Amino acid sequence: ETGVTQSPTHLIKTRGQQVTLRCSSQSGHNTVSWYQQALGQGPQFIFQYYREEENGRGNFPPRFSGLQFPNYSSELNVNALELDDSALYLCASSLEAFGANVLTFGAGSRLTVL
Amino acid sequence: RKEVEQDPGPFNVPEGATVAFNCTYSNSASQSFFWYRQDCRKEPKLLMSVYSSGNEDGRFTAQLNRASQYISLLIRDSKLSDSATYLCVAHTGTASKLTFGTGTRLQVTL
Repeated sequence: ETGVTQSPTHLIKTRGQQVTLRCSSQSGHNTVSWYQQALGQGPQFIFQYYREEENGRGNFPPRFSGLQFPNYSSELNVNALELDDSALYLCASSLEAFGANVLTFGAGSRLTVL
Repeated sequence: RKEVEQDPGPFNVPEGATVAFNCTYSNSASQSFFWYRQDCRKEPKLLMSVYSSGNEDGRFTAQLNRASQYISLLIRDSKLSDSATYLCVAHTGTASKLTFGTGTRLQVTL
């Protein structure tokens, strides 16, 4: 059983640029959630995708967008990067989209915005 | 006010000690609660779920008090390998959205 894999693991961008982060969900999981974890903070929910549709969104501006593909993998896109977007971006997959499902996290993509 | 609040620590304890972490949540509609463990520069991993009746997993005991909106984690006989950040987590709503606290850092020393 493969776990959640994310790419890239590290990247550096400059303010105003755009970034795409990728996530492959754990085998058998149909739901993907994205979290942002700033240094010294807990992860914050960005949004969740289920059946290729956004199914819940946290308090993040529209420049944070996502996609889910038929194979349940997902992308997180961030436009017009700001310095405060520097963080660890965690992807988590779960068996279902509803209820308190156990989340399996990937190792994350560490984004630095200069 | 944050939805889930924890003392960030760090808690520095000797090996073999018992340590307790507390957490409060503000949303009374929160339905389920968890403790996740996060090692330095790694992803969070589920440690245990938290039930009103209390639950135990080896050296770890978790407790939920819905009336006080309070969650606790007790670690007995601390090991060096317990050194990590412990995240208190609440689930609210129908989507699988989890709200994490800031985390409490534990350092177990010889």
